[in-house]
Amino acid sequence: DTGVSQDPRHKITKRGQNVTFRCDPISEHNRLYWYRQTLGQGPEFLTYFQNEAQLEKSRLLSDRFSAERPKGSFSTLEIQRTEQGDSAMYLCASSLGGGASDTQYFGPGTRLTVL
Amino acid sequence: GDSVTQMEGPVTLSEEAFLTINCTYTATGYPSLFWYVQYPGEGLQLLLKATKADDKGSNKGFEATYRKETTSFHLEKGSVQVSDSAVYFCALSHQGAQKLVFGQGTRLTINP
Repeated sequence: DTGVSQDPRHKITKRGQNVTFRCDPISEHNRLYWYRQTLGQGPEFLTYFQNEAQLEKSRLLSDRFSAERPKGSFSTLEIQRTEQGDSAMYLCASSLGGGASDTQYFGPGTRLTVL
Repeated sequence: GDSVTQMEGPVTLSEEAFLTINCTYTATGYPSLFWYVQYPGEGLQLLLKATKADDKGSNKGFEATYRKETTSFHLEKGSVQVSDSAVYFCALSHQGAQKLVFGQGTRLTINP
C-alpha cells in the first residue's frame, strides 16, 4: 500500500494558462474525492467519483474546472484559463466507499500558484 | 447546509499540559464525526472518528466523544508532547456521498 499520490506537488503558472493535476488513489479504493484548501482554511469539497462515474460536483467547481476518472483508477483535475483566485492546495482523497464512517485517505496535495 | 465550527487558534501550550480543542457542528440527521491532523510538511491524516451519539473515538492518547445533545465533538488529550504540534481539523460526513465538511482548523504548538 503506497498511499494516495499526487503529481505535481507544486505548480506555478501564469494567469490564463491551463493546468492539469493527477491523483493516483490507493489501488482497491472505489471512491475518489477532490478538495481545495486555501491558506488558513479547512479543505472544501469539489467533486467525487464512484469508480469512473462522477456523482457529485460542488458549486465551487466552475465551468473552468473539469475532472475525470476514465478507468476508475487515477483521476485528473483540469483548470482552464486559470485565475489568481485559483491559487490553493488541491487535495485528493480515496476511500473504499462503505458508509458514512468510511475513512478517506489523503494525498500530499498539489500546491497551485497563479501569477 | 452542514457546517463545522472549531475553536480559533493558534493554541500554544507547554509540554504535558491538558489539551481541549472545541468543535461544534450543524447538520441534519446523524453525521459521522472525524478529527484529522496535518503535521508540518505532511498530508491530512485521520486521527479518530465516531459514527453515532455517545461514541468515543480515541487514538495516540487523543479522545473525542460524539455529543448529539450539544452537537459537539471536542478533542482532548491529557498530556501533550512537542510532537503533537500540528493543525487539527474537525469534520463531518453523511451517509451517501460521504464528502467531508471541515472546520477551519486549529494550529497547535507545544513548547518544551
